[in-house]
Amino acid sequence: QAHHVQSGTEVKKSGSSVKVSCKASGGTFGSNAVKWVRQAPGQGLEWVGAIIPIFGTTKSAQKFQDRVTITADESATTVYMELRSLRSDDTAVFYCARGGFNVNDDDPFDLWGQGTMVIVS
Amino acid sequence: SYVLTQAPSVSVAPGQMATITCGGDNLARKTVHWYQLKPGQAPVLVVFDDSDRPSGIPERFSGSNSGNTASLTISGVEAGDEADYYCQVWDTYSDHYVFGTGTKVTVL
Repeated sequence: QAHHVQSGTEVKKSGSSVKVSCKASGGTFGSNAVKWVRQAPGQGLEWVGAIIPIFGTTKSAQKFQDRVTITADESATTVYMELRSLRSDDTAVFYCARGGFNVNDDDPFDLWGQGTMVIVS
Repeated sequence: SYVLTQAPSVSVAPGQMATITCGGDNLARKTVHWYQLKPGQAPVLVVFDDSDRPSGIPERFSGSNSGNTASLTISGVEAGDEADYYCQVWDTYSDHYVFGTGTKVTVL
């Protein structure tokens, strides 16, 4: 099944930052929003934030709003999620997913990336 | 914040029916989506808008949402259905996306 293509595994030190990329399946995200979700080892899914690439509109979960920055390139083909001040409990798989047309709506996440493992030591 | 509760695990024999429930306060007032997660693979949307199926998802997958409980039903379970399943809603009050706690489906 098709999926967005994410960057590879990252190993980071506590206190540093990580930037994960997500390249759109099919070439561009168009007018769709892109959501970021993470899953810590043995834990469930947790929403991190979202962006509408063509507008640059972003929204972050309250838990991450001081540490996360989500950006996109001008062509809306690649989205980036940067998480700062990393802690050991940030160790997780981070997924990007295409959503609806807003950073906050009840549309489903209909196409996901394969995930990027971020290990914080 | 809004909470969605799922049973941690469900076991089912091949060919039988598996029902995965997702509980939340007045959940019927929200739109529920369901995702399948397999190790090392991109998650897959299997049911959206409570009961609709994306193209390519077998008819064996169906969903419902009533009262405080949404359900994902897999009829005629196959070995390939073994995975973790998560429900998800958008909570207007907190303006956050919320996922259920997840259910591991084991095919015996």
